Amino acid sequence: AQSVTQLDSQVPVFEEAPVELRCNYSSSVSVYLFWYVQYPNQGLQLLLKYLSGSTLVKGINGFEAEFNKSQTSFHLRKPSVHISDTAEYFCAVTRGGGSQGNLIFGKGTKLSVKP
Amino acid sequence: EAGVTQFPSHSVIEKGQTVTLRCDPISGHDNLYWYRRVMGKEIKFLLHFVKESKQDESGMPNNRFLAERTGGTYSTLKVQPAELEDSGVYFCASSQIDGRINEKLFFGSGTQLSVL
Repeated sequence: AQSVTQLDSQVPVFEEAPVELRCNYSSSVSVYLFWYVQYPNQGLQLLLKYLSGSTLVKGINGFEAEFNKSQTSFHLRKPSVHISDTAEYFCAVTRGGGSQGNLIFGKGTKLSVKP
Repeated sequence: EAGVTQFPSHSVIEKGQTVTLRCDPISGHDNLYWYRRVMGKEIKFLLHFVKESKQDESGMPNNRFLAERTGGTYSTLKVQPAELEDSGVYFCASSQIDGRINEKLFFGSGTQLSVL
């Protein structure tokens, strides 16, 4: 079985500052890893995903994440945030090779970007 | 191209009543998924349709929940009878069958269900 832990429920940050949203997972099998974002009153949107290959994954809106197998982490980073990045971010995992929709999500991190 | 749409956006019902949620996937998407987020908790997978067939319903909480996808187009999720703990946001997502590697999910904006 897999599980996901997002270590911070809320992250306040000032505009143009860097941000890191932390995600750790546990699994006894190979996994696919995802970050999704939910803007207010919208559905979830895929930011980026790791399936295999390079451990540094670049996504939309300037976000990137690094898969660290030894630390079972998949932290999300952005070097300079904008007000428009204010949203809730979800880390998720699924069994490698399986459906990418049978996801196990973390509890979410609310990113609040202040001017 | 229309996205994934869900109806209604909000539903308030009393305990013991029946509610039916609907999801219209993107046209041509054979995969359809349902999820639920109870307040303060993580989003949980409920089930997965491939066309009209249930591929995986391991996340369905109990037999008060019935999901259908007749004809492989839109899907409904019926809760009968509703209980207080069923309150939450129900999400739907769809994707094309284009190989596991290339699968990309598109989510609806969800139905907020409140059971009083």
